[in-house]
Amino acid sequence: SAVISQKPSRDICQRGTSLTIQCQVDSQVTMMFWYRQQPGQSLTLIATANQGSEATYESGFVIDKFPISRPNLTFSTLTVSNMSPEDSSIYLCSDRVGETQYFGPGTRLLVL
Amino acid sequence: GIQVEQSPPDLILQEGANSTLRCNFSDSVNNLQWFHQNPWGQLINLFYIPSGTKQNGRLSATTVATERYSLLYISSSQTTDSGVYFCAVNQAGTALIFGKGTTLSVSS
Repeated sequence: SAVISQKPSRDICQRGTSLTIQCQVDSQVTMMFWYRQQPGQSLTLIATANQGSEATYESGFVIDKFPISRPNLTFSTLTVSNMSPEDSSIYLCSDRVGETQYFGPGTRLLVL
Repeated sequence: GIQVEQSPPDLILQEGANSTLRCNFSDSVNNLQWFHQNPWGQLINLFYIPSGTKQNGRLSATTVATERYSLLYISSSQTTDSGVYFCAVNQAGTALIFGKGTTLSVSS
């Protein structure tokens, strides 16, 4: 299994500001992922973050809005930039150990 | 891209009842996982089951990869089983893609 921690667990932010979410995993992994879960919805993949390369973004997500860092094999950050109320969601970090994908507890973001 | 459909979207049960949740997917996959998201938002791994049958206590799952579907069985349901059940799949080298989930409410 994998242990994944995220900080902050929740935050309330003003529109126009930015928030950086940190994700720490307990073992070295090649692939890390960031997902968004809007209220009452399923999980949507934002991007795949491999160490040593640029993140790969899914359709509808761009680097300017969601810059990602992956400085080493156990850590990644996601920044939500220039926030609007539509960015209010749970943001989840995920990694893969073997063939199984694991998820962190999520960061609950409310943008006013 | 691959499509994942779950049914039913909502399910209401009395405590002690059994239920079957279904997941259909549109293409061959390397991985299929079932998750339970509890009312506090925590996402819990239930099964990694790209094919075959697995059981864990009152829960069991079966995936028929050749027919592109998976079933999650919950027996003798309890109120703590309430929440959203997600099926997610991926192909080699890609991230999990999630279905829309089945929301289960178990009342005592």
